[in-house]
Amino acid sequence: DVKVTQSSRYLVKRTGEKVFLECVQDMDHENMFWYRQDPGLGLRLIYFSYDVKMKEKGDIPEGYSVSREKKERFSLILESASTNQTSMYLCASSPPGTGTYEQYFGPGTRLTVT
Amino acid sequence: SQKIEQNSEALNIQEGKTATLTCNYTNYSPAYLQWYRQDPGRGPVFLLLIRENEKEKRKERLKVTFDTTLKQSLFHITASQPADSATYLCALGADTGFQKLVFGTGTRLLVSP
Repeated sequence: DVKVTQSSRYLVKRTGEKVFLECVQDMDHENMFWYRQDPGLGLRLIYFSYDVKMKEKGDIPEGYSVSREKKERFSLILESASTNQTSMYLCASSPPGTGTYEQYFGPGTRLTVT
Repeated sequence: SQKIEQNSEALNIQEGKTATLTCNYTNYSPAYLQWYRQDPGRGPVFLLLIRENEKEKRKERLKVTFDTTLKQSLFHITASQPADSATYLCALGADTGFQKLVFGTGTRLLVSP
């Protein structure tokens, strides 16, 4: 079974802090994604990566950066956390090529910025 | 801009009935459409994919239709069970090679015994 793990289920940070959210997948997937999920807005793509050291902006990249130094690990960085970044953060991975394009999601990290 | 609409109100049905959820989209020409299930506090789980040249797809008690003229997909769960209670998300994708998805906000389904 594909497993996508995220470093924390719940996280509370203060405004201005630098925050790291880690995601690890064990299926050797090329593609990895970071989303945030907010009530009424659904899942919105922040950044994605299709290979090691490669990254592409999603729909809402402002205030975030990412790092992919190893294939299995994709990190989301909040350079200076703000209260409007309080949200559920979901990581996903998918294999390349044609097929079902299924994305496998982690359990999510609920981040609260106070 | 792209817009995907799913009914924001919860759908309440009785066990044994067929649940039908709707996904409408505008300003988009997807190559495929997916449906995911999400339980509270968990990440979404993939259920089905249907491509633009397919009208209907089935998997066990699930059936998905895709009408590119109406820009609509319908998701059916037959013989629904309380365990089917969850939020169901539709997601659209284009053949860009990056497998990016655009998600709807989801519809919550409640199946009562």
